[in-house]
Amino acid sequence: DTGVSQNPRHKITKRGQNVTFRCDPISEHNRLYWYRQTLGQGPEFLTYFQNEAQLEKSRLLSDRFSAERPKGSFSTLEIQRTEQGDSAMYLCASSLVGAGGSNTGELFFGEGSRLTVL
Amino acid sequence: GNSVTQMEGPVTLSEEAFLTINCTYTATGYPSLFWYVQYPGEGLQLLLKATKADDKGSNKGFEATYRKETTSFHLEKGSVQVSDSAVYFCALSTYQGAQKLVFGQGTRLTINP
Repeated sequence: DTGVSQNPRHKITKRGQNVTFRCDPISEHNRLYWYRQTLGQGPEFLTYFQNEAQLEKSRLLSDRFSAERPKGSFSTLEIQRTEQGDSAMYLCASSLVGAGGSNTGELFFGEGSRLTVL
Repeated sequence: GNSVTQMEGPVTLSEEAFLTINCTYTATGYPSLFWYVQYPGEGLQLLLKATKADDKGSNKGFEATYRKETTSFHLEKGSVQVSDSAVYFCALSTYQGAQKLVFGQGTRLTINP
């Protein structure tokens, strides 16, 4: 399968613990995005990378959240000192943006990592 | 700011019924508009898109027309099937900086045989 892969698919943790999610994008894609989706809502943008550079972060991304894409391939999203309000589905997406910013506008999403904070 | 509003669900229809899911948007500039679909147990996937006013996106029998005058992008299908049961998300992108998508809240569609 050459789609976007996310792990783990489901994480249950106690409040105050740290969790890390991993995303493996489609291999030739240079952009990688993280979104958060709560029950009954659409996905909300968190952050995105162009290759290894993190270019934008949403105000939703508090200082307990950190995302990395060290070699411009896979990415990790870490949440420190989890709170019950962090319970959500965390979605990763990737896309290919050409020189000059040209692209099809399509993001390719993984199946998501569901976080439950008890 | 940019936002998308979809008709509230859930929507339940019988097979072969006509489907409309309303979507309106607020945006600065000239957004591109998308419909994404999430089938049970799968990730979001692009259903169709339109990048400028009066464009019609179409795929799998679904259509949506970019209406700038009414800031709408309603999804339609003439005859739905059980396999169309899914959650549908309308979204926009203004291509300002990031290729960020702003999503509506989603509409759950159930088609009964």
